Amino acid sequence: DAKTTQPPSMDCAEGRAANLPCNHSTISGNEYVYWYRQIHSQGPQYIIHGLKNNETNEMASLIITEDRKSSTLILPHATLRDTAVYYCIVRVDSLSGYGGSQGNLIFGKGTKLSVKP
Amino acid sequence: KAGVTQTPRYLIKTRGQQVTLSCSPISGHRSVSWYQQTPGQGLQFLFEYFSETQRNKGNFPGRFSGRQFSNSRSEMNVSTLELGDSALYLCASSPGLYNEQFFGPGTRLTVL
Repeated sequence: DAKTTQPPSMDCAEGRAANLPCNHSTISGNEYVYWYRQIHSQGPQYIIHGLKNNETNEMASLIITEDRKSSTLILPHATLRDTAVYYCIVRVDSLSGYGGSQGNLIFGKGTKLSVKP
Repeated sequence: KAGVTQTPRYLIKTRGQQVTLSCSPISGHRSVSWYQQTPGQGLQFLFEYFSETQRNKGNFPGRFSGRQFSNSRSEMNVSTLELGDSALYLCASSPGLYNEQFFGPGTRLTVL
């Protein structure tokens, strides 16, 4: 089962920041927070991931709370092309030294973000 | 770099047949994972391969199988197709087992 909880849907006005929340209250110390999105009928697209520090790349910013029980994905200037289902996933990472093989992604239902003109 | 490619993109089969789907990972990537996506169950993990070895398997019946070749290309096979196997089958590649995964466009399988 997915270890994250996300709102089923959100709306955002074009040009405004989209803030997508995610709860992961049972996250373990060696688990990262990953974000993917899926535009209709396409394969999921990797956006960003982080452990405990805030992260930023050309697509988005990831803000993780100090207790790591929740995070927010921020799309700074949403466009119509950002309309998609956004998935928040917690997952172990080899950098943490975890020796198991559970590297697969466990997708929940995600948040359907609709960017409106 | 070219992205993950999957062939065929669309496929129509009838119940009882078998099907083989192919995935070519991004050059240099050694891990390939397969996922099934249906409207009812969402995205579900099938299996993961690294260096020609299956490293992890999801909760699917034995009719679903896969393999990885020495060039990291992967195939998955579904035997004795059922109507419920109709889905989008997605392949993802990554440099190693725990790196970010990059998905292909998927193969849309319809079972009649």
